[in-house]
Amino acid sequence: DAGITQSPRHKVTETGTPVTLRCHQTENHRYMYWYRQDPGHGLRLIHYSYGVKDTDKGEVSDGYSVSRSKTEDFLLTLESATSSQTSVYFCAITVTPGAEAFFGQGTRLTVV
Amino acid sequence: RKEVEQDPGPFNVPEGATVAFNCTYSNSASQSFFWYRQDCRKEPKLLMSVYSSGNEDGRFTAQLNRASQYISLLIRDSKLSDSATYLCVVNRNKLVFGAGTILRVKS
Repeated sequence: DAGITQSPRHKVTETGTPVTLRCHQTENHRYMYWYRQDPGHGLRLIHYSYGVKDTDKGEVSDGYSVSRSKTEDFLLTLESATSSQTSVYFCAITVTPGAEAFFGQGTRLTVV
Repeated sequence: RKEVEQDPGPFNVPEGATVAFNCTYSNSASQSFFWYRQDCRKEPKLLMSVYSSGNEDGRFTAQLNRASQYISLLIRDSKLSDSATYLCVVNRNKLVFGAGTILRVKS
């Protein structure tokens, strides 16, 4: 299995609090992605990164920010969590854009 | 309209049955295509890539029709362990996922 770990795996937080999810990879892949998965919508891209300090928005980026200061770490921050951000969050890595993606095990986030 | 459309199912089939899933995509610039499998509460994993000439991996056959913007997955001799959600994925420099088709294989 690809070396991708997400932390935390589960989190319950209150509306209005900031939350940071971490994705750590040991594959030295340049390309990293954050997705959220909700029933009926499949996986939707939040943000992605093509390298250190090189990030861009996906289709559902409102309310989220990311940072990538090292190749191995890609952080997703919910600046002020809302109930609509209750979801399962997956981090993924690829060798090239659009190549086979390897996913972390996911973070189940509940905003109450 | 979603960029990648799949029948959500569920498809309930007996063991040994043949089942087919279809997927349509709207962006003709899509470059490559995949089927992923996702087990309940787990991460998606690549099942197979889809090539224009069609490709087969054991009991699984994938077909691509670029003219109709249509992808299919055929599973022969279904096993209980095939029960999962199957995600159709297209690449246009980023991976775009369908919402998935649920398959339940019953004994």
